[in-house]
Amino acid sequence: DIVMTQSPDSLSVSLGEKATINCKSSQSLLYASNYKNYLAWYQQKPGQPPKLLISWASTRQAGVPDRFSGSGSATDFTLTISSLQAEDVAVYYCQQCYFPPYTFGQGTSLEIK
Amino acid sequence: EVQLVQSGTEVKKPGESLKISCEGSGYSFSTYWITWVRQMPGKGLEWMGVIYPGDSDVTYSPYFQGQVTFSVDKSTNTAYLQWETLKASDTATYYCARHDRYYNNGSYFRLGYFDLWGRGTLVTVSS
Repeated sequence: DIVMTQSPDSLSVSLGEKATINCKSSQSLLYASNYKNYLAWYQQKPGQPPKLLISWASTRQAGVPDRFSGSGSATDFTLTISSLQAEDVAVYYCQQCYFPPYTFGQGTSLEIK
Repeated sequence: EVQLVQSGTEVKKPGESLKISCEGSGYSFSTYWITWVRQMPGKGLEWMGVIYPGDSDVTYSPYFQGQVTFSVDKSTNTAYLQWETLKASDTATYYCARHDRYYNNGSYFRLGYFDLWGRGTLVTVSS
């Protein structure tokens, strides 16, 4: 199985400041045939299901604010929130989409400082 | 509206059986893969497996193989997750989610991320 490891486990950031969450995979998620990274990011607010934010490591889903961005390649990825808003308090998960069993990182809990 | 609607909260005893549901609407249910995800209390997300409603083809995670059964009823656009013998450790919220897909040369292909989620079914197993 591909192991996904996020850091940090929790993060406290002031409103308007930048938040950065890292995700590392135990093997490369870069598919050579199409040069796509098979990595997704989800946001889960308390009491809600996860919501897909980003696919292919850096493609924002429709309706996701542009303060959310994804970057990285192969085994190292980052989710950045450029200017934290109160509604961004949530747990964030990365997920490898390469092959089953699809695995998630352990989650990063983001709170307001 | 495109949505997945899951059945309500369940409280069961160890040893009992259970079947929960996930009804899709607003899209072509039979041509999108449905995945199941477990979230134990206060914990992260675990992928359980996937079913294709078009032909009921199933892939289970090795960690859930033999523990649960997936099925679908195309006539009602509903996917099911079933246990024959519940254990206390099955206590969790179970989400169904839809895989994104792409179309190429007359066929649909599954992508590995989940673009639409149900609200979850809380299953509590306790004596």
